[in-house]
Amino acid sequence: DAKTTQPTSMDCAEGRAANLPCNHSTISGNEYVYWYRQIHSQGPQYIIHGLKNNETNEMASLIITEDRKSSTLILPHATLRDTAVYYCIVRVWEYGNKLVFGAGTILRVKS
Amino acid sequence: DAGVTQSPTHLIKTRGQQVTLRCSPKSGHDTVSWYQQALGQGPQFIFQYYEEEERQRGNFPDRFSGHQFPNYSSELNVNALLLGDSALYLCASSPSVGGGTTEAFFGQGTRLTVV
Repeated sequence: DAKTTQPTSMDCAEGRAANLPCNHSTISGNEYVYWYRQIHSQGPQYIIHGLKNNETNEMASLIITEDRKSSTLILPHATLRDTAVYYCIVRVWEYGNKLVFGAGTILRVKS
Repeated sequence: DAGVTQSPTHLIKTRGQQVTLRCSPKSGHDTVSWYQQALGQGPQFIFQYYEEEERQRGNFPDRFSGHQFPNYSSELNVNALLLGDSALYLCASSPSVGGGTTEAFFGQGTRLTVV
């Protein structure tokens, strides 16, 4: 699985968009970009994933650069409940494939 | 749908003892993976069970073993506990077929403290 690089921490004002970057310069053609988050004392929660097109769901948007070497997770209107560790993971899309977590980005949403 | 459930939520054991952690997967999921999360770090993959067999294994010693039952629930066993085994143990379930979704669903974890 390709390695990812994320900033250690970020702050965001409540109600503003939170943009979390991720570098994955060694990503392979068959690897997807996945995002999970972990709120304190809970298990990780799936957010979104994509291959090369931008993706949006009820939680977030995922923007992947054309060369696929980096991506940005966007939380359009961050709330205090979005304070969490956000993990960017690249992996092959197949059933049962393990997740390789890095250190992630601590996002602090402030009022 | 109860999602992924783990038991117990907290556990304190003494060095050298053995421990068993339990996991019930989300309804419709037949694959169970276990992760260890030390304080301040991301989860680390231990192993995965499918069709009652270990299918993948991470870089963990043989003291870590598991089992999957016919109803897809799973156990994680750790023998000869070390202080360094203190961590949050997470169970994740996922489907093996159908639905077009592969993402794993995690339980709340079991916090193991070895003293």
